[in-house]
Amino acid sequence: DTAVSQTPKYLVTQMGNDKSIKCEQNLGHDTMYWYKQDSKKFLKIMFSYNNKELIINETVPNRFSPKSPDKAHLNLHINSLELGDSAVYFCASSQYLDTGELFFGEGSRLTVL
Amino acid sequence: GQNIDQPTEMTATEGAIVQINCTYQTSGFNGLFWYQQHAGEAPTFLSYNVLDGLEEKGRFSSFLSRSKGYSYLLLKELQMKDSASYLCAVRDRNNNDMRFGAGTRLTVKP
Repeated sequence: DTAVSQTPKYLVTQMGNDKSIKCEQNLGHDTMYWYKQDSKKFLKIMFSYNNKELIINETVPNRFSPKSPDKAHLNLHINSLELGDSAVYFCASSQYLDTGELFFGEGSRLTVL
Repeated sequence: GQNIDQPTEMTATEGAIVQINCTYQTSGFNGLFWYQQHAGEAPTFLSYNVLDGLEEKGRFSSFLSRSKGYSYLLLKELQMKDSASYLCAVRDRNNNDMRFGAGTRLTVKP
């Protein structure tokens, strides 16, 4: 069984569209994250959720909205997509908020045309 | 805030030893992590240091000096499959997140 799974793996869409990426973890972890990895391969944190509560909300545009229906899921919704949103988005989880390594999903490559 | 610096690229020969350095600045250090990322794949956890000293795990070792804000990842008996990016990451207790350096792309040559 995959520990952290995200869908879709690839997403190609037009500017201005709205899209969502789903993430699920079956590890029983308390904390989930969204990271963005740009073309230069720099991995930057976007959001952190602990037990369904938003902990970190970096300075990402408010077009990005995370939604956590339960502790095992953290979805990312993006409105009005822009060219600069093209990147690989990684979901991750850790056992606790302040300790432990991250377990990453396989990534979702978003291409905005 | 956090500044995490590591070399952009390194090259080494199969069978050799390579050391990848990482320096960091943080106001609330709560652990240093190393991850490996192969092209087109997700990062995977390699090692963790929270106290000063060396942690050994097979061919990989990681060292930490908190007073110097310095860590290194040591890879021994290099294999071709070790060609990947190596990411240094620091946990900050002030905001409980994990932030990454830009990564070091290691190329292992025959």
